[in-house]
Amino acid sequence: AVQLVESGGGLVQPKESLKISCAASGFTFSNAAMYWVRQAPGKGLEWVARIRTKPNNYATYYADSVKGRFTISRDDSKSMVYLQMDNLKTEDTAMYYCTAEGGSPFDYWGQGVMVTVSS
Amino acid sequence: DVVLTQTPPTLLATIGQSVSISCRSSQSLLHSNGNTYLNWLLQRTGQSPQPLIYLVSKLESGVPNRFSGSGSGTDFTLKISGVEAEDLGVYYCMQFTHYPFTFGSGTKLEIK
Repeated sequence: AVQLVESGGGLVQPKESLKISCAASGFTFSNAAMYWVRQAPGKGLEWVARIRTKPNNYATYYADSVKGRFTISRDDSKSMVYLQMDNLKTEDTAMYYCTAEGGSPFDYWGQGVMVTVSS
Repeated sequence: DVVLTQTPPTLLATIGQSVSISCRSSQSLLHSNGNTYLNWLLQRTGQSPQPLIYLVSKLESGVPNRFSGSGSGTDFTLKISGVEAEDLGVYYCMQFTHYPFTFGSGTKLEIK
């Protein structure tokens, strides 16, 4: 069965950094584009970032709200995807979901990891 | 950015009733490759979103066939033919034809 397990969340202060991870299993990770989607408490869903596969040069794409501050990366040898978050702001407080492409983008979702940015 | 407007924001239904949710896009979601990248997801309370429909009308594996999607261009509809208790939650449309990918604001389905 497909599993996406996020980790690394927690409480940080504004302007600090945090790196969250997602461990994937149950599908051919190296063939799948990967995404991060977030959800602020009581709010809707917001796409954050995308990373494509090796044949697509691991191209990355970001929401304007995080561009220049967040970096998505992947390690195909470990079936892991990461989100490095720098210069965090209070508005980055959210549940962060790792999602994967199956037959279609956003086919598989993890359980989410909470990131709280507060002083 | 593409704005997806979902209506209604809240839907109150009885078991067995058929309901529809509308998702209207601020611009056409027809990609230059001929595909229309419009998906529907359901998020039950306290859970991760789960995909229901992709490419406007294709049912995800394991999704009951009481769910159906239709539409083209800028107007899309999710229909549930015979609501069941397990269908309650928040329904989102999302597009990934244009960057940045965007989600609708959600439709909360409540059971009477």
